[in-house]
Amino acid sequence: EIQLVESGGGLVQPGESLRLSCAVYGVTVSGHHMNWVRQAPGKGLEWVAAIHSGGGVYYADSVKGRCTISRDNSKNTLYVELNRLTTEDTAVYYCARDTAGDGFAGFDIWGHGTMVIVSS
Amino acid sequence: EFVLTQSPGSLSLSPGERATLSCRASQISNSRYLAWYQQRPGRAPRLLIYGASERATGIPDRFSGSWSGTDFTLTISRLEPEDFAVYYCQHHDDSPPVHTFGQGTKLEIK
Repeated sequence: EIQLVESGGGLVQPGESLRLSCAVYGVTVSGHHMNWVRQAPGKGLEWVAAIHSGGGVYYADSVKGRCTISRDNSKNTLYVELNRLTTEDTAVYYCARDTAGDGFAGFDIWGHGTMVIVSS
Repeated sequence: EFVLTQSPGSLSLSPGERATLSCRASQISNSRYLAWYQQRPGRAPRLLIYGASERATGIPDRFSGSWSGTDFTLTISRLEPEDFAVYYCQHHDDSPPVHTFGQGTKLEIK
């Protein structure tokens, strides 16, 4: 069974940084395009970042310049680091697998999410 | 700026009725790069439809997707109690590879 398990969320102060992890089970993290998607309380889904199987990284304009997505193949884990946090970054952060290697066929596997609260 | 606009924002229907949810793209590079998700309260999203009209694995056939130009539609033929949830459309752009979600449609029990 394929599973994604996020961790690392919590309460952080504005201006601080945070690194979230997504442990991947059942497939190799490097074999798929992997994504972070977030959802502010009571709001919709917002795509944050992707790392492709070939290593290319891509970011939403809202986080570009202060977000880094990466993976550790030896740990089969996906990461996202977000710097200079503001209250606008308060959200549940999900990792999600992109089904297709070429083209697009949706995000078929999602983690349960990890909550990040940015507050002083 | 690429935008997906979902309508209506909320929809009240009864079990057994037919639901029609819309998603309009401001522009579209590839109509096959459109997906639909269901999200129940407190849960992660669940992929329903990809390629605008292909059902994901394990999705009941009462869910169907269609499109015309930049207008995409998710239809639930006969609502079951578990179908009352929020639904999102998503588009993938190739250049650069980014994703956009619609703002969601909340399907409520009447």
